[in-house]
Amino acid sequence: DIVMTQTPLSLSVTPGQPASISCTSSQSLLHSDGKTYFYWFLQKPGHSPQLLISEVSSRFSGVPDRFSGSGSGTDFTLRISRVEAEDVGVYYCMQGLRLRTFGQGTKLEIK
Amino acid sequence: EVQLVESGGGLVQPGGSLRLSCAASGFTFRSYAMSWVRQTPGKGLEWVSSLSGNGSGTWYADSVKGRFTISRDNFKNTLYLQMDSLRAGDTALYYCARTGVFDYWGQGTLVTVSS
Repeated sequence: DIVMTQTPLSLSVTPGQPASISCTSSQSLLHSDGKTYFYWFLQKPGHSPQLLISEVSSRFSGVPDRFSGSGSGTDFTLRISRVEAEDVGVYYCMQGLRLRTFGQGTKLEIK
Repeated sequence: EVQLVESGGGLVQPGGSLRLSCAASGFTFRSYAMSWVRQTPGKGLEWVSSLSGNGSGTWYADSVKGRFTISRDNFKNTLYLQMDSLRAGDTALYYCARTGVFDYWGQGTLVTVSS
């Protein structure tokens, strides 16, 4: 099984400041087709999870451009350039190379 | 607008069965793989199962393999999850999600396995 490990598990950010979440996979998520099957989700309080970013860095429809994803192989990062109040919630990473595995989640709060 | 509406959750005793449904609308259902994902407070998000658009391909998490069966009716635009031999550890909020990368999610249906 591929294990996904997120850091930190929680962070508190002042509005307007940047934030960064890391995710590490236990094996490379690079497929022989050249794609890297890595995703980010956000679950806002009281809501279902929503897809933010697919294949490392492609923002899903409607996702603000203050969200960006980067990384390769086993190490990935989600960055929020300027945190807004509506960004609070739990962020999850997920691998899609072999079945599906989620990270344990990172809770973002506003200071 | 893509909509996914789950139903069928409830309280069931250990060893019992339950069938979840997910009614889809707003997209060409038969063209998309569909999935079930569950969430528990203690274990976070856990992928359960996925099914190809024509129903020929199925995938299951080891934790449910042999007990759960995913299926679909492309005429009714509905996804199903038949859950047998339920255990306390299956207690969770079950989400239906579109594709294998979960680009849209339903609101979830709660399954509680308890005596």
